[in-house]
Amino acid sequence: GAGVSQSPSNKVTEKGKDVELRCDPISGHTALYWYRQSLGQGLEFLIYFQGNSAPDKSGLPSDRFSAERTGGSVSTLTIQRTQQEDSAVYLCASSPEWGSQHFGDGTRLSIL
Amino acid sequence: AQSVTQPDIHITVSEGASLELRCNYSYGATPYLFWYVQSPGQGLQLLLKYFSGDTLVQGIKGFEAEFKRSQSSFNLRKPSVHWSDAAEYFCAVGARGNEKLTFGTGTRLTIIP
Repeated sequence: GAGVSQSPSNKVTEKGKDVELRCDPISGHTALYWYRQSLGQGLEFLIYFQGNSAPDKSGLPSDRFSAERTGGSVSTLTIQRTQQEDSAVYLCASSPEWGSQHFGDGTRLSIL
Repeated sequence: AQSVTQPDIHITVSEGASLELRCNYSYGATPYLFWYVQSPGQGLQLLLKYFSGDTLVQGIKGFEAEFKRSQSSFNLRKPSVHWSDAAEYFCAVGARGNEKLTFGTGTRLTIIP
């Protein structure tokens, strides 16, 4: 069956550019999460969507980061005016309302 | 605030030997605990989880973990490792198993012949 799909798998961009990362969750999963995995920082929570509730944005590191989830399915994480410290692997996960999180393979973002 | 400590950054074991990866957590209520495995270039795969009930939980690939409330630990074990077990292992704690997870910094496992 289809798992969590993330695109692109790799993204290289210049400092100061905006980037959009996409996540297609598992069909029927109501919850969607974004995490960032960087060297020396481990895995850190960014944002969480659950159904029609307001998202939990408590992990977003700055106002350059934003995310939306359209129609309760696909999500886009946007990073504006990218900085070199934004280089990381961005992981998306989804889960049923009561269940474990299933992760995609991530987007490796490199800022030159 | 919840936190997870994985005290071993890197462990090397021989193929066929037993394995124990340590995980200690700090959480104010009854925790929901997870172990994930990550192979290079891959996402995280769930090995096992503890929500309630029997404190010894069985997972995939022959792994098990034991929840010990008195020690705030959730150590991962496998009786005999295979070369394919080489990967990074993450312990995580969450609330209700469905909100943001707090991860440990991971333990990298190397298997030698």
